[in-house]
Amino acid sequence: KAGVTQTPRYLIKTRGQQVTLSCSPISGHRSVSWYQQTPGQGLQFLFEYFSETQRNKGNFPGRFSGRQFSNSRSEMNVSTLELGDSALYLCASSPGGYSYNSPLHFGNGTRLTVT
Amino acid sequence: QQQVKQSPQSLIVQKGGISIINCAYENTAFDYFPWYQQFPGKGPALLIAIRPDVSEKKEGRFTISFNKSAKQFSLHIMDSQPGDSATYFCAASRKLTGGGNKLTFGTGTQLKVEL
Repeated sequence: KAGVTQTPRYLIKTRGQQVTLSCSPISGHRSVSWYQQTPGQGLQFLFEYFSETQRNKGNFPGRFSGRQFSNSRSEMNVSTLELGDSALYLCASSPGGYSYNSPLHFGNGTRLTVT
Repeated sequence: QQQVKQSPQSLIVQKGGISIINCAYENTAFDYFPWYQQFPGKGPALLIAIRPDVSEKKEGRFTISFNKSAKQFSLHIMDSQPGDSATYFCAASRKLTGGGNKLTFGTGTQLKVEL
């Protein structure tokens, strides 16, 4: 079974631009979560989508948004990029919620650099 | 507000030695405690997990010890090998009222196993 796939692997953008990141979950998984990873803040939860609906949201500004399609693929959008948005953005999937018997599976991330 | 505290930040162990990473949590609603391993350029991968009704879980060279009353849990890596050199994250999960779960991560421990 293919793992979680994220594209692109690397992105370089300029301050003020917007960016869209893509995630294809493991086949059959309906829940997709997004995390931001930085050296200073570690892994921070952005949001979770389940069956095309945002089910949970972390404490990030409205510039960060996402969506999920009927095939469970998800996209994350960041508008008006700031230097502090430079990070590794990780997508993770699970069948429904994640639990002891249904762990979260991560992709290898998209490295975003804002200049 | 950091709800999962992890220490140490970095750790150097000799080959064959025992690596110990500690985590503490505050929220008693957490019901699932996984450990993730992350290599450079890769996303975090589930290593081992434990439920709060179990005091210890062992899988190969990796053991989680869990102290519910102290709200602490730790990862022990026995016979540490250079291939274990990676960043380790503890995490804690809780169910959300909107459905699904939220996984809160510790800040990570960078482990280096020397020959």
